[in-house]
Amino acid sequence: DAGVIQSPRHEVTEMGQEVTLRCKPISGHNSLFWYRQTMMRGLELLIYFNNNVPIDDSGMPEDRFSAKMPNASFSTLKIQPSEPRDSAVYFCASSPLQLARPGNEQFFGPGTRLTVL
Amino acid sequence: AQTVTQSQPEMSVQEAETVTLSCTYDTSESDYYLFWYKQPPSRQMILVIRQEAYKQQNATENRFSVNFQKAAKSFSLKISDSQLGDAAMYFCAYRSPGAGSYQLTFGKGTKLSVIP
Repeated sequence: DAGVIQSPRHEVTEMGQEVTLRCKPISGHNSLFWYRQTMMRGLELLIYFNNNVPIDDSGMPEDRFSAKMPNASFSTLKIQPSEPRDSAVYFCASSPLQLARPGNEQFFGPGTRLTVL
Repeated sequence: AQTVTQSQPEMSVQEAETVTLSCTYDTSESDYYLFWYKQPPSRQMILVIRQEAYKQQNATENRFSVNFQKAAKSFSLKISDSQLGDAAMYFCAYRSPGAGSYQLTFGKGTKLSVIP
């Protein structure tokens, strides 16, 4: 199993540009999570999808952030326009969340380090 | 809302020695899940160990074990026979029970250095 795949691994862009981060969850997992990690705030959940449907987007910081999951094997997180304070590591995670096993772990991708100049 | 506190921003241990990382949490729930994740320099978040609150027995995974004190809301991680590969950030995380629960609340992390 290839694990959760994220691209790109590193992204450097200028303020005002559009940024798109991509994620391929583990095959068969029906839950997908986007997290942001910064020194100041630690790991924060941005949005959670279940069966391709956004369930909780209360962690999305602003309207500049949007996420989609058009199918079970692909998700994007878009920032438009980007700002320097968006600089962080963005993680995607997936889980075989099952009704009978709420303790299932979340499997994380390697993250995308975003730098906005 | 639940909170998770890791009071040790940094720790160090000599190779082959034992180290304990602290974690406390605040919750009003009686049943929940606790996790320790490891984040090496590669940034990959790796699950180290998991504890279910309704189980009194402390979880163990090879050299990793936990000391779960439910009344004190404490969940410490003990690493025995420390190895150079154990050097990483370690995050404690809390998750509510229930079939629809998914939110992981993370602590700020503890950076562990292993001295050869």
